[in-house]
Amino acid sequence: KAGVTQTPRYLIKTRGQQVTLSCSPISGHRSVSWYQQTPGQGLQFLFEYFSETQRNKGNFPGRFSGRQFSNSRSEMNVSTLELGDSALYLCASSLVGRSTDTQYFGPGTRLTVL
Amino acid sequence: DAKTTQPNSMESNEEEPVHLPCNHSTISGTDYIHWYRQLPSQGPEYVIHGLTSNVNNRMASLAIAEDRKSSTLILHRATLRDAAVYYCILPIQGAQKLVFGQGTRLTINP
Repeated sequence: KAGVTQTPRYLIKTRGQQVTLSCSPISGHRSVSWYQQTPGQGLQFLFEYFSETQRNKGNFPGRFSGRQFSNSRSEMNVSTLELGDSALYLCASSLVGRSTDTQYFGPGTRLTVL
Repeated sequence: DAKTTQPNSMESNEEEPVHLPCNHSTISGTDYIHWYRQLPSQGPEYVIHGLTSNVNNRMASLAIAEDRKSSTLILHRATLRDAAVYYCILPIQGAQKLVFGQGTRLTINP
């Protein structure tokens, strides 16, 4: 079974631009979560989608948004990029998103904002 | 949200057992204990989880204290590939959300 895939793997943008990251979950998984990882803040939860609905949201500004499609694939968007948005963005999928479900992480998208 | 406390770093030698401790004194009766690890330049990967009883799988064992206020992840024979940051997490009830602490950076010496 193929794992979680994320595209692109690397991205360089400039301040003020916007970016869209994509995540394809493991086949059959319906819950997709997004995390941001930075050296200073560690791994932080962004949001979680299940059946095309956002169920949980972390403490991030409204510039960070996401969506999920009917095939469970998910995208996250960051508008008006700031230097501090440079990070590794990780996507994780799980079967139905119960708190006891194992989450399977992708390799991440490394975003650099110049 | 129940918090976990782990040592910042630990060091061990190849082919020796490693015991990684985690304190979770505010754990509730229904909180599961999950362990994930993150190898260099990779996303986190699931290691093991448990509720009350000790658990074993092909990667590791999880020993849970009787009062559930602490747990220990046991790697029976560490290899160089086990060098990673290990996270002990109590998933939030009713939410598919993992709150990662700083974890324990495990170094394995050849």
